[in-house]
Amino acid sequence: DAGITQSPRYKITETGRQVTLMCHQTWSHSYMFWYRQDLGHGLRLIYYSAAADITDKGEVPDGYVVSRSKTENFPLTLESATRSQTSVYFCASSEGGEADTQYFGPGTRLTVL
Amino acid sequence: RKEVEQDPGPFNVPEGATVAFNCTYSNSASQSFFWYRQDCRKEPKLLMSVYSSGNEDGRFTAQLNRASQYISLLIRDSKLSDSATYLCVVNRGGNDMRFGAGTRLTVKP
Repeated sequence: DAGITQSPRYKITETGRQVTLMCHQTWSHSYMFWYRQDLGHGLRLIYYSAAADITDKGEVPDGYVVSRSKTENFPLTLESATRSQTSVYFCASSEGGEADTQYFGPGTRLTVL
Repeated sequence: RKEVEQDPGPFNVPEGATVAFNCTYSNSASQSFFWYRQDCRKEPKLLMSVYSSGNEDGRFTAQLNRASQYISLLIRDSKLSDSATYLCVVNRGGNDMRFGAGTRLTVKP
């Protein structure tokens, strides 16, 4: 049972470059989420998706783009990376419902130079 | 002011101690509440949901006070394996989850 995976696990890029972080889940969960985690801020929701082709902004969506053409994949793209986007990015999924458990992937550590 | 505030920590306690974490949230329309645990450089994992009536899972007890917008987590008989960061999580509705910055716990022999 692979669960939820993220790739790459580590990424170093330069300011201005486009970067795509991948997230894949094998549970057929309806909901998927992208968070970033920074010291002093905790996890902050970037975007989430209730189903294929349905996405919504979270708390900090600026500078990010998402898509969800298939239920199992939820890629996050930084169209023009900035140093302030250096962070740990976590993808999560849940079956649905507001009281439902979210299961997190192992995270991607992104450094923007 | 952050929407979800937690004790800053860190908490350093001996094995066997009882430790309590507090959390307050500012959005009165928040729908559901959770405690997650995060080990160093790992992903968060659900510890327990929090209900108005209070709930217990072994050595862990969670309480919710909607009137005061306050959530607590009590850990009894602390184990070395309880060392982690504990995240207070509030669902504003529609799966819009807000996380506290976390409280770090270290249990020492």
